[in-house]
This record gives sequence, C-alpha cells and structure tokens, in this order.
Amino acid sequence: EVQLVESGGGLVKPGGSLRLSCAASGFTFSSYRMNWVRQAPGKGLEWVSSISTSSNYIYYAEPVKGRFTISRDNAKNSLYLQMNSLRPEDTAVYHCARVVPGEPPALDSWGQGTLVTVSS
Amino acid sequence: QSVLTQPPSVSGAPGQTITISCTGSSSNIGAGYDVHWYQHLPGTAPKLLIYDNNNRPSGVPDRFSASKSGTSASLVITGLQAEDAADYYCQSYDSSLTDSGVFGTGTKVTVL
Repeated sequence: EVQLVESGGGLVKPGGSLRLSCAASGFTFSSYRMNWVRQAPGKGLEWVSSISTSSNYIYYAEPVKGRFTISRDNAKNSLYLQMNSLRPEDTAVYHCARVVPGEPPALDSWGQGTLVTVSS
Repeated sequence: QSVLTQPPSVSGAPGQTITISCTGSSSNIGAGYDVHWYQHLPGTAPKLLIYDNNNRPSGVPDRFSASKSGTSASLVITGLQAEDAADYYCQSYDSSLTDSGVFGTGTKVTVL
C-alpha cells in the first residue's frame, strides 16, 4: 500500500524557516516524480513545487520561488521542502503527492498533510 | 484566482445526480490538455477520482464519471451518497502557467 506521511509543520514567526519531510513507503520512491501541494485556510489546492526522480528537474510556483527549496533522498525514500523567509500567506496544510505521467501529470497518491502556521 | 472556474457549491439529495463544471479557456482545457478530478475531505489526503478526462482509478465507484468538451469539463456523480460530501477539484495545464498544472477553484458538495 502506498503511504505518504508528512511531518515538520508547526508555528513559526514571519521571516522564519521550517523544513517539511515526507516519508514514502509501499512503492519504488526513486521511480516517481514528487510534488508539494498546499491548502491555505478556506482556500483551494495550490501546487507549490515539483521534483523529478533524480532531482534534475525542479520547479516552483511563483509565490514561493527564491524562498522554498524542494529536495529528495531516494536512499531514504524521503521528500523535503525547506521553507525560508516565511510569510503569513504561507500558512497552509502542506501535502506531498506522487506524480504519474500525463498532460498535466496526475497526483495519484497524497499524504494527509502537515500544518504550517506563520504568525507573530 | 485560478484560471479554472468551478461553482463554489453544489448540493443534492441522496440518490440524485449532480454535475460539477470546470470552465477554462483556449490556453488550458481548450488547448487539448487533459483534466483530472480530485476529491478532498479537509483534514484528509486528497484522492484522485478521475484521470485523463474520463478514467477512474481502481477502487473509484462507477457512479463517478467525467467528460470534457471545448473549454470545459464536467464531473458527474450519479446516485449521490452521504459519503460523497467533500470538496472536488479539477486540474489541467495552462500554457501560461506552471509545470505541474493548475487546480480549479474547488466545489463543495453537500448531500442534503
């Protein structure tokens, strides 16, 4: 069974940093592109970042470019999101998701998410 | 604001059929890109409901179906059940936007 479990969320002050982790199991992690998707309170889903299988291709949504860094460790079956210079508008539940090929790629498995709250 | 517009809410009684629209433009759905649909109960993991316009992953009941035409797509839930109460999102590409596509504005389904 595919499992994605996020961790690392919490309360942080504006300008602070946080590192999210996503532990994957039940599939060959190194064979799949991965995404981070967030949902702010009362808002819809928003794609945040994408990383290819070997970390060769990395993409970010405009609101997080230059502040967030996605990475992965295939040996540890783990996905990460380093979030710096956090802003109140980054407050959201952050989900990691497995990507399957398509135009656009579909997200066929998701974690339950971890809550990030940016507030003074 | 997303380039894919969905009605904020749709409701129906158990057993009824409801339709959720996803309206785009010539730079996304109308350009021929596929549409996926997700079901999300806040606090839980979103679930892929329909992929590539009209395909159901294994385990998704056949009361969920979808179609695409022109610059729009639709998700149909036939024989609405209480457990279908959730938020629903479409997803497609937009040629002016991101690598991994864009989500629709989302629709909250209420079972009366």
